Amino acid sequence: DAGVTQSPTHLIKTRGQQVTLRCSPKSGHDTVSWYQQALGQGPQFIFQYYEEEERQRGNFPDRFSGHQFPNYSSELNVNALLLGDSALYLCASSRLDEKLFFGSGTQLSVL
Amino acid sequence: EDKVVQSPLSLVVHEGDTVTLNCSYEVTNFRSLLWYKQEKKAPTFLFMLTSSGIEKKSGRLSSILDKKELFSILNITATQTGDSAIYLCAVDTNSGYALNFGKGTSLLVTP
Repeated sequence: DAGVTQSPTHLIKTRGQQVTLRCSPKSGHDTVSWYQQALGQGPQFIFQYYEEEERQRGNFPDRFSGHQFPNYSSELNVNALLLGDSALYLCASSRLDEKLFFGSGTQLSVL
Repeated sequence: EDKVVQSPLSLVVHEGDTVTLNCSYEVTNFRSLLWYKQEKKAPTFLFMLTSSGIEKKSGRLSSILDKKELFSILNITATQTGDSAIYLCAVDTNSGYALNFGKGTSLLVTP
C-alpha cells in the first residue's frame, strides 16, 4: 500500500515564476493538507482540502492556492515566487478529522 | 496568537543515555497534542495525547501531557543512533488537524 507520494522531490525556480507541486494521498484517505517547512523551523499549515473544497486555511497570502481532484489527489500552486518561498513543502493525507500521514515533501529552491 | 515552544532546540547524547524533550503550548482551543519524528523529510507519527496524566508508551519512547501546566514531555530511554532525528511537537486547536508545530528538537545520538 503506497503511502503519501509527492512530486517532484526537488525543484529550482527563479523569483517571479510560478510552481505547481503534486500530492497523491494514501489509499483510503479523502483529506489533503499542505505544510511549508523552512530550514530550522517546524511545518506551518497552509491549507486543507476535503471534497474538492478548501476547508481550512493558514496565514498564507493568496499567491498560495490549491486544488483537490475527484480522486483526492491535490496540487499546491505558488505564484510570483519570492526568495522566502524556498522551503520543504509537505503534503499530509488523512481520513476526515483523523491523524495525518506525511509525504517526503518537495524541496523548493527559489533563486 | 497560538504558540508551541519546544526545548531544547538541539541535543547531543551518547548511546544508552535517556533524554527528555519538552513541549509547552499556549493555544486558545486545545484539542490534542501530537509528537512526530522527522528523519530526512517525512514526519512520522509517534503519539497523540488528549488527556492529562495518561502516559502513552511505545517501546523505549513514552510521552505524557499536563493540561493544567500546558506542557508535554517525550522520553526516550536507552537511546540508539537510530533515534537521531528532529522531534516535532504539534497542537491541534480545532477540528481537522490544522496542526500548529513547534520548531522541533534536533537529537543526535553518538556511538
